[in-house]
Amino acid sequence: NAGVTQTPKFQVLKTGQSMTLQCAQDMNHEYMSWYRQDPGMGLRLIHYSVGAGITDQGEVPNGYNVSRSTTEDFPLRLLSAAPSQTSVYFCASSLQQGQPQHFGDGTRLSIL
Amino acid sequence: GESVGLHLPTLSVQEGDNSIINCAYSNSASDYFIWYKQESGKGPQFIIDIRSNMDKRQGQRVTVLLNKTVKHLSLQIAATQPGDSAVYFCAENRNSGAGSYQLTFGKGTKLSVIP
Repeated sequence: NAGVTQTPKFQVLKTGQSMTLQCAQDMNHEYMSWYRQDPGMGLRLIHYSVGAGITDQGEVPNGYNVSRSTTEDFPLRLLSAAPSQTSVYFCASSLQQGQPQHFGDGTRLSIL
Repeated sequence: GESVGLHLPTLSVQEGDNSIINCAYSNSASDYFIWYKQESGKGPQFIIDIRSNMDKRQGQRVTVLLNKTVKHLSLQIAATQPGDSAVYFCAENRNSGAGSYQLTFGKGTKLSVIP
């Protein structure tokens, strides 16, 4: 049981490049979410999903897309990276929305 | 704006002493609160939670107190150990209607344990 697995752990991009941050969980959790963590800002919700085929926006969704084709996977896409998206990104999951979430160890993303 | 916040950004305690980390929230409709611990280079880890119909909840060496009158939450760690050094976040799980919940995090308190 690996919990929540995020890949890659580190990534450096140039402005305008695109990439996908991967997130997978093996706990059969319905609820999954993406947060970004910036110094002094805590964790802010980007997008979330209450189940396969269902996604919704969080507090800071601009510049990010998500999809949820399976229960296990919840990738986060940056279509055109900007320096303001330099951050640490965390994926989390819980059995259902409103329950304590399990977090991955994060992806540290730098955009030059 | 940020509705969940912390009174102190840093806290240093002597090993063996008790630690108290405070958190204020502004939304009286929030009905569920969670404390997370985040070690360097890791994701947040669930410590303990409390629902709004409770004033106190105890775990192993940790106690969470909820004062709904002044919208205040605290995490108490007994006999603090070096392994407790981390950033601690309180999170407010707010029911935003139609069964939808949003988890809002405070900015965190860094706890440093002095050996």
